[in-house]
Amino acid sequence: KAGVTQTPRYLIKTRGQQVTLSCSPISGHRSVSWYQQTPGQGLQFLFEYFSETQRNKGNFPGRFSGRQFSNSRSEMNVSTLELGDSALYLCASSTGQENTEAFFGQGTRLTVV
Amino acid sequence: AQSVTQLGSHVSVSEGALVLLRCNYSSSVPPYLFWYVQYPNQGLQLLLKYTSAATLVKGINGFEAEFKKSETSFHLTKPSAHMSDAAEYFCAVSEGTGGSYIPTFGRGTSLIVHP
Repeated sequence: KAGVTQTPRYLIKTRGQQVTLSCSPISGHRSVSWYQQTPGQGLQFLFEYFSETQRNKGNFPGRFSGRQFSNSRSEMNVSTLELGDSALYLCASSTGQENTEAFFGQGTRLTVV
Repeated sequence: AQSVTQLGSHVSVSEGALVLLRCNYSSSVPPYLFWYVQYPNQGLQLLLKYTSAATLVKGINGFEAEFKKSETSFHLTKPSAHMSDAAEYFCAVSEGTGGSYIPTFGRGTSLIVHP
């Protein structure tokens, strides 16, 4: 069974640009969550999509957005990039049901210069 | 609301020594609890999870954790540390909100293993 796939693994962008990150969940999983990980703030929840609908949202500005497609693949978009957006972005998939663990991808390392 | 506190951002042990990583949680309902491990530049991997079937939970790589409701704790232990255990460890709690079971993670504890 293939794991969670995130692309690309590494990205370098300039301030003010926008970026799109992709996540393919485990087959059969309908829930996809996104996290931002930084040394200073740890793991912070961005949002969760379940069956193409945003079901939960963290405390991030509107520059951070996402969507989920009918095949459960998800994309995350960050517009007007700031230096502080440099982080490891992790995607996690799960069945979305009670007492099920999240399976994480390897992450996308975004560097904003 | 759910929250997790991991005591100690760094824990240093000698190879062969006992590993103890502390986790305390706050939850308004019986929680689901997890421990994850993260190696450099990798995603998180599940070590073990508490499902209410047993208070002592065994996981991969020789790790185990004990759920203590009275202490609201879920500490992670391993009898004998290996060099390969050096990594970042995260405790997480999930209680379910509006049908969503998004885990809340602690700040993580970096385990350092000395030869």
